[in-house]
Parts: sequence; structure tokens; C-alpha cells
Amino acid sequence: AQSVTQPDIHITVSEGASLELRCNYSYGATPYLFWYVQSPGQGLQLLLKYFSGDTLVQGIKGFEAEFKRSQSSFNLRKPSVHWSDAAEYFCAVGARPTGGGADGLTFGKGTHLIIQP
Amino acid sequence: DAGVIQSPRHEVTEMGQEVTLRCKPISGHDYLFWYRQTMMRGLELLIYFNNNVPIDDSGMPEDRFSAKMPNASFSTLKIQPSEPRDSAVYFCASSPNAGTSGSGVQYFGPGTRLTVT
Repeated sequence: AQSVTQPDIHITVSEGASLELRCNYSYGATPYLFWYVQSPGQGLQLLLKYFSGDTLVQGIKGFEAEFKRSQSSFNLRKPSVHWSDAAEYFCAVGARPTGGGADGLTFGKGTHLIIQP
Repeated sequence: DAGVIQSPRHEVTEMGQEVTLRCKPISGHDYLFWYRQTMMRGLELLIYFNNNVPIDDSGMPEDRFSAKMPNASFSTLKIQPSEPRDSAVYFCASSPNAGTSGSGVQYFGPGTRLTVT
């Protein structure tokens, strides 16, 4: 069974500082990997995804993530955070369906990001 | 284009009542997913459909839960009878079919917050 671990429940970062959110997954092969962001009372918005190819992927809002197969990790980074980045961040893993398409996602428990002025 | 539409956004009901949640996927998307989010269990996949056919319902908690997709533009998740432990935010997501732009990515609706008293 696949699983996702986000070891940090809360992270506090000063505005303008760099950010790294950790994500480790357990899966038998190379999965699809995602980072989603959720603001209070909102749905989930896709930040970025990894399917194949270059292991460093760029997303929206200045975020990037690096897939490291040897460490089963997909950590999210941002060089300089803004107050508007305060939100809940979810890492997710999904199987690669035969022939393409989509499969159900397994989510981590999330990391709550707090931005200090 | 309109995103995934869910209704109602909020639902308060009494234990024992029937609850029906509704979802309209993004036009042209062939996959539809139902997830549940609680503080204790996080985001969990309940069921998903491809071309209106249920593919995986292993996440449906018990027989009180049922989901249907009568056509490509509408799905329902029904709970009968409802119980206080069903209180959660229920998300619907849709995804395009294989080989199309955005394939493999799930686009989430705003969710329905269900409170069962």
C-alpha cells in the first residue's frame, strides 16, 4: 500500500526567508507525485507535479520540488516566502495507470505554514 | 472555464437523515473522484469513476455511503442514514482522460462542509 509522510505538522517562517517542506512516500514503483495547497475554507490548488523526466520541477507561485528516488522524497521549496503563502500544504502520491489517465491519490497529513512578519 | 462545482457548500443535518452531496466535473473530464477530509484522518479517497463507471470504491466507509454518476456531468454522494462521525468536508475532483492536456492531474472543487448533529 502506498503512503505519504509529512513529518512537520507546523512550520513557522519569517517573511522573505527560504522554505522547505518535507515529504517522504512509500510506493513500489515510481509514482505520480503532487503538491497541493489549501487556504482556509477553500479547495485544493495544484502547486506542481512530477510524472517523469527532470527531477527538479517548477510550479506556480515560485515553488519548486525535487524528486529523489534514492530517498523516496519529494520536498517542496521556495527561496523567499510571502505572507500570502500561509496555508496548508499537502503532498500526494498516485499510481501510474496502465495506458495513462488518473488514479486515486494518497495524501500526507499536511503541513501548516505560518508566516511571521 | 468553470471549475469543479459542488453543492451545497454547507450542509447541517440531524443524525438519521439522508444527505446528498452533488458534483459537476469540469467539462470534458472523464475521471471523477470523491474525497473526505477530517482532522483525524486527513484526506481520504472514497471512490472514483472513469467514464461514469465506478473503478475503485474500496474507500467507501460502509454501506451507508453510496455514489452514482448517471452521466458525464453529474455525480452524487449519498449518506443514509447520516451519523455525527460523518461530519467532514467532502471534496470532488475531476481529471482529463489519458493523452489529453492535464492528464493525471486532479482538479478539486471547493468542497461541501457536512455537519451531522
